Amino acid sequence: RKEVEQDPGPFNVPEGATVAFNCTYSNSASQSFFWYRQDCRKEPKLLMSVYSSGNEDGRFTAQLNRASQYISLLIRDSKLSDSATYLCVVTFLTGANNLFFGTGTRLTVIP
Amino acid sequence: DVKVTQSSRYLVKRTGEKVFLECVQDMDHENMFWYRQDPGLGLRLIYFSYDVKMKEKGDIPEGYSVSREKKERFSLILESASTNQTSMYLCASSPPRTGDEKLLFGSGTQLSVL
Repeated sequence: RKEVEQDPGPFNVPEGATVAFNCTYSNSASQSFFWYRQDCRKEPKLLMSVYSSGNEDGRFTAQLNRASQYISLLIRDSKLSDSATYLCVVTFLTGANNLFFGTGTRLTVIP
Repeated sequence: DVKVTQSSRYLVKRTGEKVFLECVQDMDHENMFWYRQDPGLGLRLIYFSYDVKMKEKGDIPEGYSVSREKKERFSLILESASTNQTSMYLCASSPPRTGDEKLLFGSGTQLSVL
């Protein structure tokens, strides 16, 4: 079983739509959670951290559900420029290798 | 503008060649990482380093070695390149572990081994 799992998509949505992705993690001791964005043939870039109380940055909202062990990313009013792959990252405090990446969810926003 | 710089964007090598991938960061970060990214597999950690001359194996270290002689530079070495090492290689750095690690990635090196 993978440590972090994401639906690979693709999610094809029209401009202006609201879209949500989930990411499940297997280790209940996970401590930190992030969403990264990766454009085609580019490097991943940090989009936002995910806090226990949830957090919002403009059109983007990230939430954490510890009981069900998943995090979510909600994008409102989708723009063409939101088209990218969104990577979920989970970290553990223990263990030398303490970052786990999901394989990513691909989003395409259609005009 | 802080950044992580990888020496090559595209690289083509032949089977059996020794390959060096260089990574330099200008943020005085202690932690540096080498990942490879393959379709459907996501990012997989090859090696990482928490300090100068210190290295730790990641999930897939076989066929690779690393060198960190200076804090700002972390090199990945393919001792004898093989076709299954064709991949996108990403270097990253981060400050010391605080429980809230955030990675800054280089732009990647697409390596093709023929």
